[in-house]
Amino acid sequence: GNSVTQMERPVTLSEEAFLTINCTYTATGYPSLFWYVQYPGEGLQLLLKATKADDKGSNKGFEATYRKETTSFHLEKGSVQVSDSAVYFCALKARTSYDKVIFGPGTSLSVIP
Amino acid sequence: EAGVAQSPRYKIIEKRQSVAFWCNPISGHATLYWYQQILGQGPKLLIQFQNNGVVDDSQLPKDRFSAERLKGVDSTLKIQPAKLEDSAVYLCAIPGTGGLNTGELFFGEGSRLTVL
Repeated sequence: GNSVTQMERPVTLSEEAFLTINCTYTATGYPSLFWYVQYPGEGLQLLLKATKADDKGSNKGFEATYRKETTSFHLEKGSVQVSDSAVYFCALKARTSYDKVIFGPGTSLSVIP
Repeated sequence: EAGVAQSPRYKIIEKRQSVAFWCNPISGHATLYWYQQILGQGPKLLIQFQNNGVVDDSQLPKDRFSAERLKGVDSTLKIQPAKLEDSAVYLCAIPGTGGLNTGELFFGEGSRLTVL
């Protein structure tokens, strides 16, 4: 079945450091891929998405590129801020209308001043 | 404007008691989802409604969980009797502005359940 794997170990970075959170997926066909973010005390919200191979999703300085050859969708940001501290979830959805969105386990990011 | 209201925000019960959560998709979208998010894990779909009908409830523990969506708007999720492992945040969601096919979801703030 479809699944998402991402690094589960918490990430701690200093402000302005470079961020990478790895995500790989298993799916039949060409799913849509997403990164969702959950800030402390807030609800889960969509950060960015990509719907086909080689697409790059971007938002708030974050980027992720849909790599079909490596079945990956790694999240990157060139210079993190304290306000980026949150839990990040990689997710996918298969192409048919009623297929559910499947989430990875989440990666906690803490950015220290 | 899209929005999902959920209540209660927090609930503490003892095992074997019952609890109910309520969701109101303010925009009145036809599709509604309930997800369970256990601490340290990603959200897992429990049930998907299309109007009043159930599209997917394959991961709903039907011996203790039930959900309904009356008149295709509000929805309730009930757990009876609750077990310790039901401690989680219960998230209600609707499709984002792109529609059902995009996979974009708009979540409510969730109802946090603690079972003692």
